[in-house]
Amino acid sequence: GPKVLQIPSHQIIDMGQMVTLNCDPVSNHLYFYWYKQILGQQMEFLVNFYNGKVMEKSKLFKDQFSVERPDGSYFTLKIQPTALEDSAVYFCASSFPGLGDYEQYFGPGTRLTVL
Amino acid sequence: QQKVQQSPESLTVSEGAMASLNCTFSDGTSNNFRWYRQHSAKGLEVLVSIFSDGEKEEGRFTAHLNRANLHVSLHIREPQPSDSAVYLCAVRQGGSAKLIFGEGTKLTVSS
Repeated sequence: GPKVLQIPSHQIIDMGQMVTLNCDPVSNHLYFYWYKQILGQQMEFLVNFYNGKVMEKSKLFKDQFSVERPDGSYFTLKIQPTALEDSAVYFCASSFPGLGDYEQYFGPGTRLTVL
Repeated sequence: QQKVQQSPESLTVSEGAMASLNCTFSDGTSNNFRWYRQHSAKGLEVLVSIFSDGEKEEGRFTAHLNRANLHVSLHIREPQPSDSAVYLCAVRQGGSAKLIFGEGTKLTVSS
């Protein structure tokens, strides 16, 4: 099936530093998502993004978080500055389009470790 | 706030025996349900989506939805050891694109 890629697969950084997680969505998809999964807990929605704008976000999407997809390249999640509680696996997903019964296709995740 | 819960937390079945997984949700107006499979270090693989009460089959995977009972289940026919993974139930409500996930059921299929 369609593949979503995520780069890097694992990132280790010191608390307070900035980190950018990259997602290469399915080529003709228009909606993009980030989900967060803390080890041993359920996956939780962070944000979705369409046409250059955040459409929905959860309370987990703190002010330190931002998303963008400049010029149709990677869809990115930036965290600045990072905190210890940001350690988790972050999953990117994309769909065509977002509402309606279209599937969200997920990437393999980026494991972020904040020291 | 929608709550999605899965049971059991873990399940071991023998190869070839039916595996049954359960998911309950709190909002009876939900109309969009999916079962995903998550292998270690891999993305989520969608198995079956169901939008109305009744049954939906995709190969060896069958979902049953009963919105009056706030329950959706997944049955795996003739499971193989390669089906060993974490199975996630996800619910989407009308008017929103976000998925609400359960905590997952870890399935082990022994040969």
